[in-house]
Amino acid sequence: DAGVTQSPTHLIKTRGQQVTLRCSPKSGHDTVSWYQQALGQGPQFIFQYYEEEERQRGNFPDRFSGHQFPNYSSELNVNALLLGDSALYLCASSETGARDHEREQYFGPGTRLTVT
Amino acid sequence: DAKTTQPTSMDCAEGRAANLPCNHSTISGNEYVYWYRQIHSQGPQYIIHGLKNNETNEMASLIITEDRKSSTLILPHATLRDTAVYYCIVSLYNQGGKLIFGQGTELSVKP
Repeated sequence: DAGVTQSPTHLIKTRGQQVTLRCSPKSGHDTVSWYQQALGQGPQFIFQYYEEEERQRGNFPDRFSGHQFPNYSSELNVNALLLGDSALYLCASSETGARDHEREQYFGPGTRLTVT
Repeated sequence: DAKTTQPTSMDCAEGRAANLPCNHSTISGNEYVYWYRQIHSQGPQYIIHGLKNNETNEMASLIITEDRKSSTLILPHATLRDTAVYYCIVSLYNQGGKLIFGQGTELSVKP
């Protein structure tokens, strides 16, 4: 089991551009959450996808959007990049409906986005 | 905002138990306490979670006070590889459980 995988590992973009980050969940997981982690801060929840729909959303602007595919993989899209979008973007997967002792989220290694 | 309060940093000697405290005085009855850790430049790693009872797994023990307003994560025999930022999170496990991270405790295990 490869666990949660994310691509690319690193990415450099210019202000105003658009970016797409990708995530494959752990085998057996059907829910994907995305987090943004600025340097020196804890991860901040962006949104969560389940059954190909956005189920929960954090306090992020509409420039941040996502998608979940039938195989449960997910994409995070950010439009009109700002310098402040530079961060580590983390994907986490989990299983909705899991029994109590299995209710953890597994995180991927993240994508480091630098906006210049 | 995070519903937990943790010390900013702690030190622990290698081989000794590391006890990491967390205050969550506003926790509601159906919210779980989760602990994750993040080793530098890696994604957070799940450690343990609990609702009311104390829990133990191969990584750690979680002690939750009877009133559930605080908890302690115990790493029984800390090693240098346990050096990380430890996050205590209160989460309602509803449809997947959104995690609200605070600043965490930076644990340094020293030889």
